Amino acid sequence: ETGVTQSPTHLIKTRGQQVTLRCSSQSGHNTVSWYQQALGQGPQFIFQYYREEENGRGNFPPRFSGLQFPNYSSELNVNALELDDSALYLCASGPTYGYTFGSGTRLTVV
Amino acid sequence: RKEVEQDPGPFNVPEGATVAFNCTYSNSASQSFFWYRQDCRKEPKLLMSVYSSGNEDGRFTAQLNRASQYISLLIRDSKLSDSATYLCVEDSGYALNFGKGTSLLVTP
Repeated sequence: ETGVTQSPTHLIKTRGQQVTLRCSSQSGHNTVSWYQQALGQGPQFIFQYYREEENGRGNFPPRFSGLQFPNYSSELNVNALELDDSALYLCASGPTYGYTFGSGTRLTVV
Repeated sequence: RKEVEQDPGPFNVPEGATVAFNCTYSNSASQSFFWYRQDCRKEPKLLMSVYSSGNEDGRFTAQLNRASQYISLLIRDSKLSDSATYLCVEDSGYALNFGKGTSLLVTP
């Protein structure tokens, strides 16, 4: 079983609202990454945190932001939600042989 | 923009068949590649790494051709439980770049 846990599992928000998604990374993993997976697409890289610092970012606007805490857990914050933000949001921890993904948060924006 | 391209399928094959998936990547500097498996509405799970020398794990064989920037996955003796989406992945060093996935349906 995966050691990466995400909460909540499902979420419905209204356009314009803000949302915070949470991830507890696998023990011993100091790197956490966030991905967005729209229906029928592969996951898209949002950003990565290493030891509480952002060290890589994909093609996402600044309203997508994150934090990593000293215990290596992480948050993804999305402001001013848009309908296109509806997706599965995945957290991955590493470094390891590949990365280990959490089961994701399914966000629906209405 | 660096891309990972896959045939989306779907591939419909009978149990016991051999099926091959291909993938191309555009970033010639990439060093690491993986195949992930994703079941419907679940998270991606690492299936195997891909090496130039080839990598075999039971019924699964992955191969990397750096000259052609081409990655393959071969599944022998397909099982019903192999039905899933297979994601070709390039590791850029700080991000995993995923293809859109190839859908496989193994039928009785």
